[in-house]
Formats: sequence, structure tokens, C-alpha cells
Amino acid sequence: QLVLTQSPSASASLGASVKLTCTLSSGHSSYAIAWHQQQPEKGPRYLMKLNSDGSHSKGDGIPDRFSGSSSGAERYLTISSLQSEDEADYYCQTWGTGTWVFGGGTKLTVL
Amino acid sequence: EVQLVESGGGLVQPGGSLRLSCAASGFTFSSYEMNWVRQAPGKGLEWVSYISSSGSTIYYADSVKGRFTISRDNAKNSLYLQMNSLRAEDTAVYYCARNLLEDDAFDIWGQGTMVTVSS
Repeated sequence: QLVLTQSPSASASLGASVKLTCTLSSGHSSYAIAWHQQQPEKGPRYLMKLNSDGSHSKGDGIPDRFSGSSSGAERYLTISSLQSEDEADYYCQTWGTGTWVFGGGTKLTVL
Repeated sequence: EVQLVESGGGLVQPGGSLRLSCAASGFTFSSYEMNWVRQAPGKGLEWVSYISSSGSTIYYADSVKGRFTISRDNAKNSLYLQMNSLRAEDTAVYYCARNLLEDDAFDIWGQGTMVTVSS
């Protein structure tokens, strides 16, 4: 079964960096994912598509502070130089034939 | 500006029906695959349904299969979700979302419309 696992919460200080993790279920380590950001009371916003080899393509207007990387079944989103507006929920997404799956989301707190 | 705007949400009784609409602008709607995604209060995102650019291929999540119907009108740049036999657990904000061109990630989202199923 295609499942994405994310830690429920993360925190980091203003100006620091943070690395969020999304883990693909067994047998799906070659799958690409997408990262989305959801600020409070807003709709989600596409950040990037991230392939298994770590290559990624970002959405329009996404700052260079946001980057992605991969290792095995793990997909990462790194946010550097954290700003207050980065405080949000972050969701990973993947897909199979006729189905799309989201991780449970990580709530990022900027201290 | 590329934009998706949902409408049609509201309060409906259990067992009732509702039709959501999503108006697209700023891009060639007929070239893109589209989806509905929902988010229950305080919960995460749940994919609901997909429709291909021509409307010939449709998929549903098991939780809504047989009750919800997705459709589109490319001449009107609009996406729809007909929701029947609504249940309390269908209460959520419903978003329409666009697939990347010839890809499966979602790259454009609407602002959402709230559906509340309650007596």
C-alpha cells in the first residue's frame, strides 16, 4: 500500500535551517513526490516536485531557500534562513495508478 | 494570473446533495488534468477525485466512490463535483487542484470552499 509518513511537528529558530522528512512505504522507494506548504487559514501552495535521484523542479516564485533531496525511501525538504512566514504545515504527496496520496503533514514552528 | 476559484459550499443535512464548482482562469484549462482534494477541520489533506483533460478518465477515492461525481466543461473552463448521500464525515474544505502538465503532482490550488454536513 502506498503510504507517506511525516513527523507531526518540527521547530527551528528564525534564521536557522530545518530539514523535514517524508518517508515512502516499503516497495515504493523509487517514487517521486511533491512538497506543498499550507499557511494558516490558506489553501495549499505547491513548492516542488522531488525525484528519487534528488533532482527537483520548483514552482513559480518559490525562493531559493527551499530545496529538496532524496535518500532511499526518504524525501527531504530543507528550508534555510527561516522566516516567520515559513511557519506552516508542510505536506508531501505522491501518486500511483488512479490514486494520489498525501502524508499526514508536518507543522513547522519558527521560534 | 493562473487561478482556481471554488464555490458552492454550504450547510447540508445528512443524506443531502451539493454541487461544487471550480472556475479556472489564466491558463488553457482544456489541456490540464484536474482534481478535488478535501481537508476535514484540523486534519490533513485527502485526495477525492481526478479527471483527465478530456474527461474520459476518472478516478475516485474509496471513501466517496458511488456517491460523488466529478465532471468538467472545457468550454466554460469549469470543474465540478456533484456530492450525493452526504455524511457527517464529508464535512471539510474542498479544494480543486491542477496537475502539472503531463505529470501527476498538483501545482495550482484554489482557496477552497467549506462543506458542512449536519442536521
